[in-house]
Amino acid sequence: DAGVIQSPRHEVTEMGQEVTLRCKPISGHNSLFWYRQTMMRGLELLIYFNNNVPIDDSGMPEDRFSAKMPNASFSTLKIQPSEPRDSAVYFCASSSGGSNTGELFFGEGSRLTVL
Amino acid sequence: GENVEQHPSTLSVQEGDSAVIKCTYSDSASNYFPWYKQELGKRPQLIIDIRSNVGEKKDQRIAVTLNKTAKHFSLHITETQPEDSAVYFCAAPFTGGGNKLTFGTGTQLKVEL
Repeated sequence: DAGVIQSPRHEVTEMGQEVTLRCKPISGHNSLFWYRQTMMRGLELLIYFNNNVPIDDSGMPEDRFSAKMPNASFSTLKIQPSEPRDSAVYFCASSSGGSNTGELFFGEGSRLTVL
Repeated sequence: GENVEQHPSTLSVQEGDSAVIKCTYSDSASNYFPWYKQELGKRPQLIIDIRSNVGEKKDQRIAVTLNKTAKHFSLHITETQPEDSAVYFCAAPFTGGGNKLTFGTGTQLKVEL
């Protein structure tokens, strides 16, 4: 398996633009997580899905953020409109048993810069 | 939610010395404690984890100890090598919130030659 695949790896955009980050989890994993990493706040869980269903989105900063998982092999994290404070590395991770029971496999991350 | 505190934030050791990183957590029902290593510009990767039914677990030069009474767990790296230089994160699940994992703030470990 190629592991968790994220795209784009790097995105530079201007304030107000829509940003869409994509993730393909490891085949067979039934849990998917979106994390945001910044120097100030560390690794923050934004939202996670079990069997394609959003379980907890309490970490989503505000209504500008939305996430979907239309099927077991694809998820998106959308920011609309983007703001400079959204600049961060966004990681997608998947696991076969939820975050509390086994290993999280992270993608390589999407580094977002909002000017 | 779960509150995970990690110390120190930075740690510098000489090659061959030991390094210890400590974490405390708040949710007494937490039962799974992983440690992740993140090299510069890379993704976090699991290096070791421990469940609440044991007090210690070892994997070559890495060990984790757990004190459930005190609600703290520690990462021990012996005979450190330059390739151990990275940021290390502890984590614990918040059992009241769907068991979602809360990460500590990270420890930047530097192993000097």
